[in-house]
Amino acid sequence: DIQMTQSPSSLSASVGDRVTITCRASQTINSYLNWYQQKPGRAPKLLIYAASGLQSGVPSRFSGTGSGTDFTLTISSLQPEDFATYYCQQSYTNSRTFGQGTRVEIK
Amino acid sequence: EEQLEESGGGMVQPGGSLRLSCAASGFTFSSYAMHWVRQATGKGLEWVSSIGFAGDTYYPVSVKGRFTISRENGKSSFYLQMDSLRAEDTAVYYCAREGVRAYGSGTYWYFDLWGRGTLVTVSS
Repeated sequence: DIQMTQSPSSLSASVGDRVTITCRASQTINSYLNWYQQKPGRAPKLLIYAASGLQSGVPSRFSGTGSGTDFTLTISSLQPEDFATYYCQQSYTNSRTFGQGTRVEIK
Repeated sequence: EEQLEESGGGMVQPGGSLRLSCAASGFTFSSYAMHWVRQATGKGLEWVSSIGFAGDTYYPVSVKGRFTISRENGKSSFYLQMDSLRAEDTAVYYCAREGVRAYGSGTYWYFDLWGRGTLVTVSS
């Protein structure tokens, strides 16, 4: 199975900060990479598909880049509602796998 | 409104069985692949199984041979039969729809609709 590794595991940031989360695949996955946001007690929510496609309804402060094995999720100006856990997920193989998550906390 | 709703969770002893259901509404269920994803308390997301619109199924090594996914398009529902349950199967189980889209030069898949989850506890 393809292993997905996110970094950092957690970070503290302030409202207005630019935040970057990295996801690395154990083998190439082209652009078959999605990003999700999850708040406590809630189901995950799709933010980015195909590494850089912004899901409908998601604010433009979220963006994704990368291809091959290395990917990045960027929040250009962190808002109070963005404090959550973020997961990457590959859809290159039938065995879908997630990264371990990155928790974004208030500084 | 497009919705997914899980049911069937509960407490079961190690070695026991449980069957989860996911009812879909508001979209053409038969056109989508469907998945189960679980999350142990305080842990990350783990993909558990999938079933294509043609009925092809996939599982990770952690549940292969113990879990079986199936679907009934006429009822807009799909299921997860869980046998030989272990303590490490304790988690909230989410059902999810897999959307598909042409983007750039490729076709891509992602989980675009999720249920609220149902808790499965395996304990003696």
